[in-house]
Amino acid sequence: SAVISQKPSRDICQRGTSLTIQCQVDSQVTMMFWYRQQPGQSLTLIATANQGSEATYESGFVIDKFPISRPNLTFSTLTVSNMSPEDSSIYLCSAQYTSGGIVNTQYFGPGTRLTVL
Amino acid sequence: AQSVTQPDIHITVSEGASLELRCNYSYGATPYLFWYVQSPGQGLQLLLKYFSGDTLVQGIKGFEAEFKRSQSSFNLRKPSVHWSDAAEYFCAVGTSEYGNKLVFGAGTILRVKS
Repeated sequence: SAVISQKPSRDICQRGTSLTIQCQVDSQVTMMFWYRQQPGQSLTLIATANQGSEATYESGFVIDKFPISRPNLTFSTLTVSNMSPEDSSIYLCSAQYTSGGIVNTQYFGPGTRLTVL
Repeated sequence: AQSVTQPDIHITVSEGASLELRCNYSYGATPYLFWYVQSPGQGLQLLLKYFSGDTLVQGIKGFEAEFKRSQSSFNLRKPSVHWSDAAEYFCAVGTSEYGNKLVFGAGTILRVKS
């Protein structure tokens, strides 16, 4: 399996501010993803973090609100911009590993619990 | 697009009893199938996965799951539940056609009573 860390583990932020979440993987991975888990809900994919190019966003998520960086094969950041209380969620990053030559096993970080006041 | 259904939002079982959590998916071909567990305040831990081959898959913590193509199901089982198994369980589906992105079910919250 993989060791994935996220910082911060939790934060309480004021409306209108921004927060950058960091995700570090212990080895090089093909793909990294960012998910949102709203209170009492399942996981929703925000975007795929592409190394060396712009992230690919899912429907309903835009770069201006959730800018993502991936400067190398082990690190990515997600910024939640101009926050509102509706952004209060757990944000999780995941890393996708190759298994038997097939890219398809995702492991998850511990999550960042964000509360916006 | 693929979708995942976990019909049971909450399940309560007695410690030592057997457990089965249901998962049905919608996709034309054989997808990649996963079960993850999330304890309160924690991230997701991979329990097991199915890519191909033997339809009965063994995972960690004594869990197993069986892929049934005819029923589009991938149900999770454990013969004897421990109090520490209380958590939320998510079934997820991925396909190479959609770039191996995962689609998650709504989750099933497992409560274990002593």
